[in-house]
Amino acid sequence: EVQLVESGGGLVQPGGSLRLSCAASGVTFSTYSMSWVRQAPGKGLEWVSRISGSGAATYYADSVKGRFTISRDNSKNTLYLQMNSLRAEDTAIYYCARDMYTVTWYFDLWGRGTLVTVFS
Amino acid sequence: SYELTQPPSVSVSPGQTARITCSGDALPKKYAYWYQQKSGQAPVLVIYEDTKRPSGIPERFSGSSSGTMATLTISGAQVEDEADYYCYSTDSSGIHRVFGGGTKLTVL
Repeated sequence: EVQLVESGGGLVQPGGSLRLSCAASGVTFSTYSMSWVRQAPGKGLEWVSRISGSGAATYYADSVKGRFTISRDNSKNTLYLQMNSLRAEDTAIYYCARDMYTVTWYFDLWGRGTLVTVFS
Repeated sequence: SYELTQPPSVSVSPGQTARITCSGDALPKKYAYWYQQKSGQAPVLVIYEDTKRPSGIPERFSGSSSGTMATLTISGAQVEDEADYYCYSTDSSGIHRVFGGGTKLTVL
């Protein structure tokens, strides 16, 4: 069974940093692009970042560009999101999701998410 | 920036057909995808490439698309189908990945 399990969420003050992890099992991790998608409390879904299977290519939403860094360790089947200069508006549940591509990129499998709360 | 527009809520009685729409300027050229999110749970893909249903998704879920509007149809909606439903697609360049604002489906 394919599983994605996020960890690393918590409480942090504005301007602080946090690193999220997503452990994958039951899948040949390195063959898939992976993304982070977030959901602010009571709000909709927002794509945050994507990384290619090799880790060579990364993409970011404008709202996090320059502050967040996505990376992966294929030897550990783990995806990461380093979040710096955090703001109150970054408060959200962060999901990792497996990317699929047919004629466009979409998410076919999601983890359960980890909550990040930025408060002062 | 590119936007997908959904109605905030749809309400049906059990056994009725629920239709949730999603409008976007690029939908004539880009596929729509639909995700179901039950309270406190992660999203689940229920329709991909406008009309295709992943394995394990009940046959009562179907999708269609015409012009700038995609539609998720739940034929014979059941109480367990109560959830938020999000459409997803990209802009015409394929670069910007966008979700609709979500539609809360109530079945009662």
